[in-house]
This record gives sequence, structure tokens and C-alpha cells, in this order.
Amino acid sequence: TQLLEQSPQFLSIQEGENLTVYCNSSSVFSSLQWYRQEPGEGPVLLVTVVTGGEVKKLKRLTFQFGDARKDSSLHITAAQPGDTGLYLCAGADSGNTPLVFGKGTRLSVIA
Amino acid sequence: KAGVTQTPRYLIKTRGQQVTLSCSPISGHRSVSWYQQTPGQGLQFLFEYFSETQRNKGNFPGRFSGRQFSNSRSEMNVSTLELGDSALYLCASSLEPLEQPQHFGDGTRLSIL
Repeated sequence: TQLLEQSPQFLSIQEGENLTVYCNSSSVFSSLQWYRQEPGEGPVLLVTVVTGGEVKKLKRLTFQFGDARKDSSLHITAAQPGDTGLYLCAGADSGNTPLVFGKGTRLSVIA
Repeated sequence: KAGVTQTPRYLIKTRGQQVTLSCSPISGHRSVSWYQQTPGQGLQFLFEYFSETQRNKGNFPGRFSGRQFSNSRSEMNVSTLELGDSALYLCASSLEPLEQPQHFGDGTRLSIL
């Protein structure tokens, strides 16, 4: 059974600080996705990474896929209150298999 | 373009009852997947339907079932409800089976008393 471990589970920071959250597995994934979920809403896809070592940037968010395609990180620069939410990573081991989700990192950015 | 629509948004049931949840995918999407989200277990895959056929199934008991109609709308049913079934049930749609990315609805919050 493939598992994705996310850390930290909870994170509370001040506006303007930087942070990194991690998504780790002992399994190899063909692709990995990051979602953000806000209270009362469904997850919204932020990015998909597919190549080992790949780095993608989305404004103040930087996503990295590990060289071995077993882990990923999300770095947020100068966090803002609007970044508050549950960040989920999800991996797929082939194109048409169900996604495996981590349990998420709940981020709170305080103004 | 309308997103994935789930109804109802909230439900309260008692143990032993059954419940039916509905999901209307994005227009043109033919694949619908269902997930259960709880604080302890996170998001877990229930099953996936494409062309009215269940193509993938997660590790849930037979009390959890679903179906898909010819217009791609899907329903899931949970019978003999247990307290542990309290969760957010999310539906996601895509053009092809389990194609990424999937687009999620806002879920149905089910509470069992």
C-alpha cells in the first residue's frame, strides 16, 4: 500500500514569514499533485509535477519533486493570510490509478 | 463553465439509516470518482465510475455503493449508517477515467447521530 506522509501536520506563522511543507513516501510516483482546500470547499489543484528534480513556481509558491520521485516539498515565500488552508499532496503511480492522498498540512497565517 | 455540483451540502442521519448523495460532473466529463475525507484518515478513494460502469474500487465495505447514469451524473449510497461514516464526501470529475487533473466538488458533509 502506497502512503504519503505530510509534515508538519499543523503550522501557524505570522504574515511575511517563509515556510516549507513536506510530502514523503517510500514509494515511487509517476506524478505528484499539490492541492489547497479551504473550509467548506473541495480541494483545488495548485500544481502537478512529473519529472524527478522538477521545480515549478506559482507566484510565491515553489514546488519541488524529489530526484527519485518519492518526495516533494512546497515552499511559500512571504506568507499572506490568504494562504491559510489545508495543503494536500497526492500521488499517482500510473496514468489511470486512483490518487493516494497525504493527510495534509493545515496552515494558518496570522496577520 | 459550471463546476462539479454535489447535493445536498449537509446531511444529518442516525445510525442504521441509509443515505444517497448526488454528484453532477463538469459538462463533458464522463468519469466520476468519490472520496471520503475524515480528520483521522484524510482523503480516501471510494470508487470511480465511467460510462455507467464501476472501474476502480477502494477498500471500503459493501455498505458503500454507487452508480452512474447515462448523463454521467453519479450517486453514492451508504446503507446501515455507522457513527464512523461521519465525514465529508467529495466527488471529482475528469474527461477520461482517473485522468489528471480531477476537478473536485465542494462535498457533502454527512453527520451521523
